[in-house]
Amino acid sequence: DAGVTQSPTHLIKTRGQQVTLRCSPKSGHDTVSWYQQALGQGPQFIFQYYEEEERQRGNFPDRFSGHQFPNYSSELNVNALLLGDSALYLCASSLEGREKAFFGQGTRLTVV
Amino acid sequence: DAKTTQPPSMDCAEGRAANLPCNHSTISGNEYVYWYRQIHSQGPQYIIHGLKNNETNEMASLIITEDRKSSTLILPHATLRDTAVYYCIVRVALDTGRRALTFGSGTRLQVQP
Repeated sequence: DAGVTQSPTHLIKTRGQQVTLRCSPKSGHDTVSWYQQALGQGPQFIFQYYEEEERQRGNFPDRFSGHQFPNYSSELNVNALLLGDSALYLCASSLEGREKAFFGQGTRLTVV
Repeated sequence: DAKTTQPPSMDCAEGRAANLPCNHSTISGNEYVYWYRQIHSQGPQYIIHGLKNNETNEMASLIITEDRKSSTLILPHATLRDTAVYYCIVRVALDTGRRALTFGSGTRLQVQP
C-alpha cells in the first residue's frame, strides 16, 4: 500500500501564474481533504472532496479550486498566485465514517 | 470543535517518558480527543484518540482526566525519532469524513540525546 501520494514534491512559480497539485489517496479511501501549511504554523483546511463534489470548504478565496476524479484522486488548483500562497500543501485521505486521516508528504510551493 | 491549549515547546531526554499536556476545558460530551504529530518536512501522522477512557496503542498512551477538561499524551520511551510537533485536536469522531481537522500551533517536542 503506497499510502497517500502527492506530486510534485517541490514547485516554483511566478506571481500571477496558475498551479495544479495532485493527490492519490490511500487505497480504499474515498474522501480527500487539502490543507495549506505556512512556515511555522499548523495546517489550515482548504476544502474536502467526497463523491467528486466539494463537501466543505475552509476560509480560502475562490482562487483555490479543486476536483475529485472517479478513482478518488484529486487536484488542487490555485489561480493568480500571490507571494503569500507559498506554503506546504498537504493532502489527506480518509474513509467515509472512519476516524483516521492519512496525510501525504506534501507539495512545497514557492511563489517568487 | 472545542478549542485546545498546548505548551509551545518541551524537551525530553532520550529513553525517558515524554508527557505532553493538552487543555480542552470547553469539550462537549460527544467530542473525542485526537493526537497527531508532524515530523519535520513530513505530513501529519495519526497517533491515538479517545473519548473518556484511557487508551493505549503501539505508539503512545492517552490519559484523559475524569472531567475530560484536559489530557496527556505519553510516549513511554522517547527516541530521537519522536522529535516532532504534536497536535492535540478535539472533534466529533465518526464524522472525520465530513469535517476537517482543526490544527492549532501544537507542541514542539525536542528529544535530547
